[in-house]
Amino acid sequence: TQLLEQSPQFLSIQEGENLTVYCNSSSVFSSLQWYRQEPGEGPVLLVTVVTGGEVKKLKRLTFQFGDARKDSSLHITAAQPGDTGLYLCAVSTGNQFYFGTGTSLTVIP
Amino acid sequence: EADIYQTPRYLVIGTGKKITLECSQTMGHDKMYWYQQDPGMELHLIHYSYGVNSTEKGDLSSESTVSRIRTEHFPLTLESARPSHTSQYLCASSQLHRGGQFFGPGTRLTVL
Repeated sequence: TQLLEQSPQFLSIQEGENLTVYCNSSSVFSSLQWYRQEPGEGPVLLVTVVTGGEVKKLKRLTFQFGDARKDSSLHITAAQPGDTGLYLCAVSTGNQFYFGTGTSLTVIP
Repeated sequence: EADIYQTPRYLVIGTGKKITLECSQTMGHDKMYWYQQDPGMELHLIHYSYGVNSTEKGDLSSESTVSRIRTEHFPLTLESARPSHTSQYLCASSQLHRGGQFFGPGTRLTVL
């Protein structure tokens, strides 16, 4: 059973479009992280959200933690080719971090 | 800027060889982790450490071993590599669980 489900699995959009990707679970978490990974590289931490309903912005990226702290969304405004990559959500439980299945985003110029 | 390093970046070896993948961090983080990841897929935890002389196995069964003799160094060793070990290996460190992890660039291993 996958602890974190991300959707969609794949997304291909034109430059300038908006998009939202989701990270869902049936469990409650004290915090959740979002990462972006480019091919052949390690994931890079984008943000950590800790409070139910919290919204954080990073330039054109908006992250929201669900009120019940079971899910999260990432919204990108006016996507650019540089946003292309694998977006991963992650949580820590006990002694370990668990990662979602990932959303592979391609932004076409 | 995170300072976590992995060497080599790419490695192609024959079946049966012993290899060690190196990972070092200069941030003084107590916690370090090794993950295995196939291209575009999710990360699977294979080992982690909470400090010097502390190592644990993760959820993914692995034939590798790790050691943590110094805070900054967390090498992973495969005693006898097999083609099924072909994958990307990512090292990470963290200080607090809620703060997320910092990853190295990864080692892309191919076993022929």
